[in-house]
Amino acid sequence: GESVGLHLPTLSVQEGDNSIINCAYSNSASDYFIWYKQESGKGPQFIIDIRSNMDKRQGQRVTVLLNKTVKHLSLQIAATQPGDSAVYFCAENGQGAQKLVFGQGTRLTINP
Amino acid sequence: DTGVSQNPRHKITKRGQNVTFRCDPISEHNRLYWYRQTLGQGPEFLTYFQNEAQLEKSRLLSDRFSAERPKGSFSTLEIQRTEQGDSAMYLCASRFFGLDTDTQYFGPGTRLTVL
Repeated sequence: GESVGLHLPTLSVQEGDNSIINCAYSNSASDYFIWYKQESGKGPQFIIDIRSNMDKRQGQRVTVLLNKTVKHLSLQIAATQPGDSAVYFCAENGQGAQKLVFGQGTRLTINP
Repeated sequence: DTGVSQNPRHKITKRGQNVTFRCDPISEHNRLYWYRQTLGQGPEFLTYFQNEAQLEKSRLLSDRFSAERPKGSFSTLEIQRTEQGDSAMYLCASRFFGLDTDTQYFGPGTRLTVL
């Protein structure tokens, strides 16, 4: 069945460093991927998305990389700030599927 | 703020009681989704609507759960005879289907605690 998972449950980085959060997916038919940020007590907040016909997409301080060969997705956050502390989820919308399938999440903590 | 809104934000109830949550999607979004999220896990799909039609329901949605979107705008999710296992965050999301984007925008959620 479909599954989206993350390699690491927690990630701790120094303020100002770059963060890389990884995600593996198993549904090779997935054609849309999305990253959300969730702060404690809040709903998931959209960060960036990418379609399967792309391998890289950039936003403000964030970059998503997609490697379809190994079914791997990553989120890069440049110059990590204290406000980036949150749980980050990747999700996929498998081809033809109308719902998002989420992974477990990675908690990002920022050290001063 | 024209984002997705949910009410109430928190609900504490006793086992066996019925509860109802409301979701107001982003204006003009024709698709509305309900997800459930337990502590430490990612959201899990429950059901979704296109306008007023409920198009898919997850196996997670037992007979005690019912969702409606009567006028294709706001939606309600009712849980009857609540059980302690129903304790979770219930999230609503919306999107406009028909544009070249699959982005779903989430509300703040309703946290349900069943005692």
